[in-house]
Amino acid sequence: QVQLQESGPGLVKPSQTLSLTCNVSGGSISSGSYYWSWLRQPAGKGLEWIGRFYTSDNTNYNPSLKSRVTMSVDTSKNQFSLELNSVTAEDTAVYFCARGNWFYFDYWGQGTLVTVSS
Amino acid sequence: EIVLTQSPDFQSVTPKEKVTITCRASQSIDTSLHWYQQKPDQSPKLLIKYASQSISGVPSRFSGSGSGTDFTLTIDSLEAEDAAAYYCHQSSSLPYTFGQGTKLEIK
Repeated sequence: QVQLQESGPGLVKPSQTLSLTCNVSGGSISSGSYYWSWLRQPAGKGLEWIGRFYTSDNTNYNPSLKSRVTMSVDTSKNQFSLELNSVTAEDTAVYFCARGNWFYFDYWGQGTLVTVSS
Repeated sequence: EIVLTQSPDFQSVTPKEKVTITCRASQSIDTSLHWYQQKPDQSPKLLIKYASQSISGVPSRFSGSGSGTDFTLTIDSLEAEDAAAYYCHQSSSLPYTFGQGTKLEIK
């Protein structure tokens, strides 16, 4: 059973960088069989896909966030990370990591709330 | 970017009622449309893949249909545990996008 768990600071100051990590257990992140994504959901609102990677040099980002997003992977720890710079209050949301094939997401983390506030 | 529009945004329904949620895409996406259920304070759960294919472990009262631009999620004989938000998601082209969600309240 694959499990994903997000971790990182729950509070980030405006203009700083949001950094989150997703730890994966029950399956290898480097198997090359799946895409690993980040998504977010502001309180009371819908879901927004942030980006994904397939291998360390095969990433796709949402154009709306591309200029501020970096995703990376640490295969030795079986985890992947998200960095979002120059954050504002509009980046306040629950952030999810998820596994999928090209088409749909089959496993999700429980989500972590990140609040952008001074 | 492909825009998905769900209707209704909110519905209050009684147990055993049949519920239909629609999702319309701004351009044809064939059957690259998937449905998720999200209960309060939980992560989304995959309900239906490729518009109409069932998912192991999901109750048979959930079904999907459609192709191209118009899709439907149907819940036959609603149960109290189905109170949740439901989202459609397209994977025809990047960026992935989601509908705005439909919240089901059980009377």
